[in-house]
Amino acid sequence: DTAVSQTPKYLVTQMGNDKSIKCEQNLGHDTMYWYKQDSKKFLKIMFSYNNKELIINETVPNRFSPKSPDKAHLNLHINSLELGDSAVYFCASSQDPGLAGGDARIFGPGTRLTVL
Amino acid sequence: GNSVTQMEGPVTLSEEAFLTINCTYTATGYPSLFWYVQYPGEGLQLLLKATKADDKGSNKGFEATYRKETTSFHLEKGSVQVSDSAVYFCALMSNQGGKLIFGQGTELSVKP
Repeated sequence: DTAVSQTPKYLVTQMGNDKSIKCEQNLGHDTMYWYKQDSKKFLKIMFSYNNKELIINETVPNRFSPKSPDKAHLNLHINSLELGDSAVYFCASSQDPGLAGGDARIFGPGTRLTVL
Repeated sequence: GNSVTQMEGPVTLSEEAFLTINCTYTATGYPSLFWYVQYPGEGLQLLLKATKADDKGSNKGFEATYRKETTSFHLEKGSVQVSDSAVYFCALMSNQGGKLIFGQGTELSVKP
């Protein structure tokens, strides 16, 4: 059973388009995250949601908008895609950070976004 | 601010060689420390962690000791295998519920 799943795995699109990446976790976790990994493998947190509420919002362009319809899903919508958005995007989840074990992240397999 | 610095890669070793990947950190207070591993084409997986000074985390033959005096959390393995080829990330969390801050990753390549 897949714990954290993302779709699509690969996404190739033109500059200026709008696209979404979906993430689902079946672990019963309360907290979900989006990370961006650049071409040099550097990982940076973008957003964090706890029980559908935004708790971390890094300095990410407002073209990026996370949406959490329920605590098992956290989707990432990107408007007006730019070349610099090309990266691998990872969704992750964890138990409530205030609880034991809440420090460990379970990562999805990643979505490789290529903007042409 | 909080940060993590890892040794630069790529690191190339022969099978059964001894592995050390250095990691040092800067943080206020008493952070929790982690090693994550990313196999080719996959997401990150937690490899091991330590939550207080002098704790040793271990898993799959890898181990790392939380050294507060040197602010380090070096990853070691006595005998690497080809299947250990991956990118290894050191990370810290400054307090319960805080952000997980990653180092830049170190690519390990193990040759038969």
